[in-house]
Amino acid sequence: GNSVTQMEGPVTLSEEAFLTINCTYTATGYPSLFWYVQYPGEGLQLLLKATKADDKGSNKGFEATYRKETTSFHLEKGSVQVSDSAVYFCALTSSGTYKYIFGTGTRLKVLA
Amino acid sequence: KAGVTQTPRYLIKTRGQQVTLSCSPISGHRSVSWYQQTPGQGLQFLFEYFSETQRNKGNFPGRFSGRQFSNSRSEMNVSTLELGDSALYLCASRQTWTLSFRAFNEKLFFGSGTQLSVL
Repeated sequence: GNSVTQMEGPVTLSEEAFLTINCTYTATGYPSLFWYVQYPGEGLQLLLKATKADDKGSNKGFEATYRKETTSFHLEKGSVQVSDSAVYFCALTSSGTYKYIFGTGTRLKVLA
Repeated sequence: KAGVTQTPRYLIKTRGQQVTLSCSPISGHRSVSWYQQTPGQGLQFLFEYFSETQRNKGNFPGRFSGRQFSNSRSEMNVSTLELGDSALYLCASRQTWTLSFRAFNEKLFFGSGTQLSVL
């Protein structure tokens, strides 16, 4: 079945450091890929998405590129801020199921 | 427009009891899905409802059930609670006006969740 694997956290960085959170997936067909973010005490919210191979999703300085050849959708940001501290979830959906599959989440802590 | 509303925010129950959680989706959204979030397992899909019909179900025991009303509000019920049911339960809605091919990549709008503690 479909699945998503994320790097384990927590990830601790200093402000202005470069961020990479790895995400790989297993899916049949052509899934859509997402990154959701969960700030403390809140539900998840969509950060970015990509719906086909080689698409790049971007938002708030975060980027991720849909790589079909490596089945990956790594999240990157060039310079993190303390306000980026949150839990990040990689997810996929595939046509016909309407079901989202989420990774286990990666906690990011950014220190001033 | 109001967001997804979940009630109650916190619940404390004892083993063997049952619990009902409520979710009001964003106005106009017809699809509601439920997730269980735990530190070790991340988000686990429970089920999704669309126009009062269960469209998808995850791998949870029959003690977990749900329903959706004609106004799209949804409830989730857990009977005979176990310690392992302690988790944050999240509800999410999406518009899904049609069951079109592209509808599967609509974004989800999440509520803040109900934190359930089973003692």
